[in-house]
Amino acid sequence: RKEVEQDPGPFNVPEGATVAFNCTYSNSASQSFFWYRQDCRKEPKLLMSVYSSGNEDGRFTAQLNRASQYISLLIRDSKLSDSATYLCALGNTGGFKTIFGAGTRLFVKA
Amino acid sequence: EPEVTQTPSHQVTQMGQEVILRCVPISNHLYFYWYRQILGQKVEFLVSFYNNEISEKSEIFDDQFSVERPDGSNFTLKIRSTKLEDSAMYFCASRDRGHGNTIYFGEGSWLTVV
Repeated sequence: RKEVEQDPGPFNVPEGATVAFNCTYSNSASQSFFWYRQDCRKEPKLLMSVYSSGNEDGRFTAQLNRASQYISLLIRDSKLSDSATYLCALGNTGGFKTIFGAGTRLFVKA
Repeated sequence: EPEVTQTPSHQVTQMGQEVILRCVPISNHLYFYWYRQILGQKVEFLVSFYNNEISEKSEIFDDQFSVERPDGSNFTLKIRSTKLEDSAMYFCASRDRGHGNTIYFGEGSWLTVV
């Protein structure tokens, strides 16, 4: 099993749609969890951290399920500007190594 | 908003040459990282650096690579004897203590080996 595995995508959705991404991980000792957004040929930018209790930031909701070892990201009311690659990331104990999934490409069309 | 800065933004080098990529992490950050992203592929961890020494490194980070913090602000990645397959975007990142271990990336340095 890969360390971090994401839906391959791409996801093509109309504006206003709700879209969900999942990410599974193999190392149960992972301590911190994140969703990053990466635009073409740009650096990853933090979208949100993911907490066990789940967390929401505007149209974005992240969930963590430690028992099943997956994290999810829900985007409501998709905008054209949400078109990007979404990367899940996991940090180990101490935070000395954060690893990334291969990303899921999202295209939002008018 | 403080940011990680990297230079050069793009470098073309001949195979076999040495390259130094430079990074200025966010000023109060204590942990520093280098990542690599080959075009069309995933962001790959290379190395982390804390308290003036390497904390972790991946299998990619072999003897061809080295990192240094030569002064209080810069963090460098040296690639010796570059190969064609070293062509990639190299991202520097940094983080503060705590804050959920969130790392922040610079804009990257494109390295093209010809």
